[in-house]
Amino acid sequence: AQKITQTQPGMFVQEKEAVTLDCTYDTSDPSYGLFWYKQPSSGEMIFLIYQGSYDQQNATEGRYSLNFQKARKSANLVISASQLGDSAMYFCAMREGGNNDMRFGAGTRLTVKP
Amino acid sequence: NAGVTQTPKFQVLKTGQSMTLQCAQDMNHEYMSWYRQDPGMGLRLIHYSVGAGITDQGEVPNGYNVSRSTTEDFPLRLLSAAPSQTSVYFCASSFQGSLNTEAFFGQGTRLTVV
Repeated sequence: AQKITQTQPGMFVQEKEAVTLDCTYDTSDPSYGLFWYKQPSSGEMIFLIYQGSYDQQNATEGRYSLNFQKARKSANLVISASQLGDSAMYFCAMREGGNNDMRFGAGTRLTVKP
Repeated sequence: NAGVTQTPKFQVLKTGQSMTLQCAQDMNHEYMSWYRQDPGMGLRLIHYSVGAGITDQGEVPNGYNVSRSTTEDFPLRLLSAAPSQTSVYFCASSFQGSLNTEAFFGQGTRLTVV
């Protein structure tokens, strides 16, 4: 069963504007971690941000922040002040407690327009 | 630090041929895994290992074989390549049993089976 859902295959954003990439997840484990990765056209996987299920505050890393709504089981990535270099595929992933596996969503392709 | 090193970067195989994708990490990570990435499907787990001598199946293990004789190396073998195995393959590693540590990825191998 699909545990991570990214419903936006593609998104466009104007340079310097903010954009939200959606991610919903499904788990019955109270302990889990949520990750976002960026994959530019060169193909490598770049870790962006992490949110733990017990974290009281939303995670932030520079221009990236995570809008974590536990009751809704959503972990949306917010990119502020978009740059042309933000154009890439973005993947949401989850690791459940007691399990090393990381499961990924289908990804969202973000295009930043000048 | 080299991190996670995958070879080769590109490979073309004929149907029925066998090959081994190499993966090595120098971070002393216990946990290593192989994913395949297909358009619209994100990254799917093929096989994983929690330490030398221990391997297990992921979501899509059929047609692939793995072994883990050392902590550093985790090769993926295609026994008899099929066109359905055309994909981009990623090796990843992380510390085991730690919910909040990121997975480190290799550069990927683009495999085409004709």
